[in-house]
Amino acid sequence: EPEVTQTPSHQVTQMGQEVILRCVPISNHLYFYWYRQILGQKVEFLVSFYNNEISEKSEIFDDQFSVERPDGSNFTLKIRSTKLEDSAMYFCASSEGFSAAEAFFGQGTRLTVV
Amino acid sequence: QKEVEQDPGPLSVPEGAIVSLNCTYSNSAFQYFMWYRQYSRKGPELLMYTYSSGNKEDGRFTAQVDKSSKYISLFIRDSQPSDSATYLCAMLHGGTRQLTFGSGTQLTVLP
Repeated sequence: EPEVTQTPSHQVTQMGQEVILRCVPISNHLYFYWYRQILGQKVEFLVSFYNNEISEKSEIFDDQFSVERPDGSNFTLKIRSTKLEDSAMYFCASSEGFSAAEAFFGQGTRLTVV
Repeated sequence: QKEVEQDPGPLSVPEGAIVSLNCTYSNSAFQYFMWYRQYSRKGPELLMYTYSSGNKEDGRFTAQVDKSSKYISLFIRDSQPSDSATYLCAMLHGGTRQLTFGSGTQLTVLP
């Protein structure tokens, strides 16, 4: 069964450092997303991406964040200068069609900022 | 008022019980209603989604949407210990791809 793959599963970084979280969406999917879940809190939308550009972003997704599809298979989330409050699970998701109702999520990357 | 509210539980039931999980919402623009299952420290797994009002059944799972009451439910029949997880409702309105999640209900099915 096709799945969304995320690497690494756990990333520890020092405050102020840049991190790149990587995702391989399901191969025939065209829409890609990043969500985050701070421990004990709701899953929150960050950004959606289609046709090599951001289609929607939330207030959380400020100038410290960026996304990229560097090649035909990977989708990345970069945090330029990490803060302690960026510590969370980051989930990549993808969907085949316009509707995000059938979005499939990866297993997540646990980011710990120390 | 929060857009999506979900009782966090925890909810414990004996194996074989019928489980009822619920969410309420305030945004009448929501059109798609999803249920995800999330095991500890894993990604949300889509169980099923419903468009607009009505019922949808998939094996032991039944999703119900009552738009007039802004209330959705997930029923699990013949619950199994492997159903033990956190169940998340999520909602979506047309024209956006931004899912709005509930806080999740932690379910334990006891053998």
